[in-house]
Amino acid sequence: DAGVTQTPRHEVAEKGQTIILKCEPVSGHNDLFWYRQTKIQGLELLSYFRSKSLMEDGGAFKDRFKAEMLNSSFSTLKIQPTEPKDSAVYLCASSDWSAETLYFGSGTRLTVL
Amino acid sequence: GDSVTQTEGLVTVTEGLPVKLNCTYQTTYLTIAFFWYVQYLNEAPQVLLKSSTDNKRTEHQGFHATLHKSSSSFHLQKSSAQLSDSALYYCALNQGGSAKLIFGEGTKLTVSS
Repeated sequence: DAGVTQTPRHEVAEKGQTIILKCEPVSGHNDLFWYRQTKIQGLELLSYFRSKSLMEDGGAFKDRFKAEMLNSSFSTLKIQPTEPKDSAVYLCASSDWSAETLYFGSGTRLTVL
Repeated sequence: GDSVTQTEGLVTVTEGLPVKLNCTYQTTYLTIAFFWYVQYLNEAPQVLLKSSTDNKRTEHQGFHATLHKSSSSFHLQKSSAQLSDSALYYCALNQGGSAKLIFGEGTKLTVSS
């Protein structure tokens, strides 16, 4: 089975731009998560979907971050407008109903200039 | 709110010597599970260990951890560190009901020869 696929692997944006990150979860998984990874903060939850319904939207990220799950096999994370402090690795993860283990994608490294 | 704390941001150990990565937590939930995730350079985080049973040792790939609810801890240990163990390690708490994890800040382990 294919794992979690994230595209692009790297993204460079100018301050103020809109960027969209993409994620394809493991086939059959019902839970999907977006995390932001930085050296200082570690892994921070941005959004959590169960069966395409938004279950949790990270409070600190609501204003410029919007995650959507267009169908059970595709999700996007939009950052609008980008700021230099958004530079980080964005990780997507999925899980099945047993809800025991998260499977992570390799992430998108975002650099905002 | 619930939280996970990893006190060491960086641990350096000589190959062949024992290593211990600390993890403590605060939670109000009764049904909980704990994980250690490992992230090798340029790879996705992956699960290393999981436990939900108090005072039971869990082992995998030479690493072991024991959940101690009395001290709110889930430390990761290995008796003999290998160069290939160099990676970023995250301790994580699952509150039950979903795969959502609360992560610690992460500990970067460097094993030197």
